[in-house]
Amino acid sequence: AQSVTQPDIHITVSEGASLELRCNYSYGATPYLFWYVQSPGQGLQLLLKYFSGDTLVQGIKGFEAEFKRSQSSFNLRKPSVHWSDAAEYFCAVGAQAGTASKLTFGTGTRLQVTL
Amino acid sequence: KAGVTQTPRYLIKTRGQQVTLSCSPISGHRSVSWYQQTPGQGLQFLFEYFSETQRNKGNFPGRFSGRQFSNSRSEMNVSTLELGDSALYLCASSDPQGGNTEAFFGQGTRLTVV
Repeated sequence: AQSVTQPDIHITVSEGASLELRCNYSYGATPYLFWYVQSPGQGLQLLLKYFSGDTLVQGIKGFEAEFKRSQSSFNLRKPSVHWSDAAEYFCAVGAQAGTASKLTFGTGTRLQVTL
Repeated sequence: KAGVTQTPRYLIKTRGQQVTLSCSPISGHRSVSWYQQTPGQGLQFLFEYFSETQRNKGNFPGRFSGRQFSNSRSEMNVSTLELGDSALYLCASSDPQGGNTEAFFGQGTRLTVV
C-alpha cells in the first residue's frame, strides 16, 4: 500500500528565510509525486510534480523539489519565503500522470511566516 | 477558461438526511475525482469518474455514491448522514488523454452535519 509521511505538522519561518518541507513516501512502483498548497477555505493548488527525468523539479511561486529514490523522499524547498506563502502544504503520491485519481496525501505541514 | 466549480460552497444538514454535491469540471476534462478532507483523517480519495463510468473507488461505505453526466459534470451523494461526514469535499478534474499532466481542484463544498 502506498503512503506519504510529512513529519513536520507545523513550521514557522521568518520572511526571507529559506524553507524545506519534508516528504517521505512508500510506493511499490515508479511513483508520481506532487506537492499541493492549500490556503484557508480554499481548494488545492498544484505547486509542482515529478513523473520522471530530472530529479530536481521547478514549480510555481519559486518552489522546487528534489526526488531522491534512495531515500524515498521528495522534499520541497524555497530559497526565500514570502509572507504570502503561509498556508498548508501537502505532499501526495499517485499511480498515474494527469489525473487526481487515487492520490495518497500526507497529513500536511502548516507553514507560518513571521515578519 | 473557467476553473472547477463546486456547488454549493457551504451546506448544513441534519443527521439522517441525504445530500447531493455538484462539481462542474473544466471544459473538455472528462475525469472527475472526489476527495473528503477532515482534520482527523486528512484527504481521502472517494471515487473517480471518467466518461460517465466510475473508474476507481476509495474505501468508503456505500452511503457515498456518485455519478457523472454526459457533459462531464459530476455529483456525489451521501445518504443517511452521520456527524462524522462533516468535512470539506473537494473535486478535481483532468484530461489525462489530452496530454495535460495536471489535475485542477475546485474550492470545495463545506458540509456540516448537525
